[in-house]
Amino acid sequence: EVQLVESGGGLVKPGESLTLSCAASGFTFSSYSMNWVRQAPGKGLEWVSSISGSRDHIYYADSVRGRFTISRDNAKKSLFLQMNSLRVEDSSVYYCARNYDVFFNGMDVWGQGTTVTVSS
Amino acid sequence: QSALTQPASVSGSPGQSITISCTGTSSDVGGYKYVSWYQQRPGKAPKLMIFEVSYRPSGVSNRFSGSKSGNTASLTISGLQTEDEADYYCSSYTSSSIVLFGGGTRLTVL
Repeated sequence: EVQLVESGGGLVKPGESLTLSCAASGFTFSSYSMNWVRQAPGKGLEWVSSISGSRDHIYYADSVRGRFTISRDNAKKSLFLQMNSLRVEDSSVYYCARNYDVFFNGMDVWGQGTTVTVSS
Repeated sequence: QSALTQPASVSGSPGQSITISCTGTSSDVGGYKYVSWYQQRPGKAPKLMIFEVSYRPSGVSNRFSGSKSGNTASLTISGLQTEDEADYYCSSYTSSSIVLFGGGTRLTVL
């Protein structure tokens, strides 16, 4: 079964750091570009970052560029999001998602999400 | 960049057809074929319904169809069913090499 499972969410204070992980199974992880997408409580979806299968192409939303770092370990079939200098407005459910075929052409597999709460 | 523009809500009766619009600019929706649509039920992860403007992934009902004209993409659901009640989001690749989502549309099946 094709599956993505996120972990690492939690409650942190503004300015602190957190690293999210996403474990993939059921498909050839290295062959797919991957994404992080977030959703604040009661709000819409917001794309955060994408990384190619070979890690040579990485993209960020303006709202997180310079604070968040996306990475992956293909041997461990894992995707990561290092989040530094967290802000209250970063509070969201964070989903990892697989790109359908080529970069940016739809996200066909999603995890269940992990919740990040930033509050003093 | 601002989110793509979607109506906040649409409604329809079982068996009817509805269309949800997604308006952007020539730098996103109008300029690229990478427009997708997602369905999200409460408390669940989004589900890909349409990719590359009009293609359905395997397993998605053919009652769902997508199209694009100029800077506006559209999702049409025909033969509405109660199970279609959900939030729907469009997304597009942009000239800034980022992905934009629409604000989302709540579909109510009356």
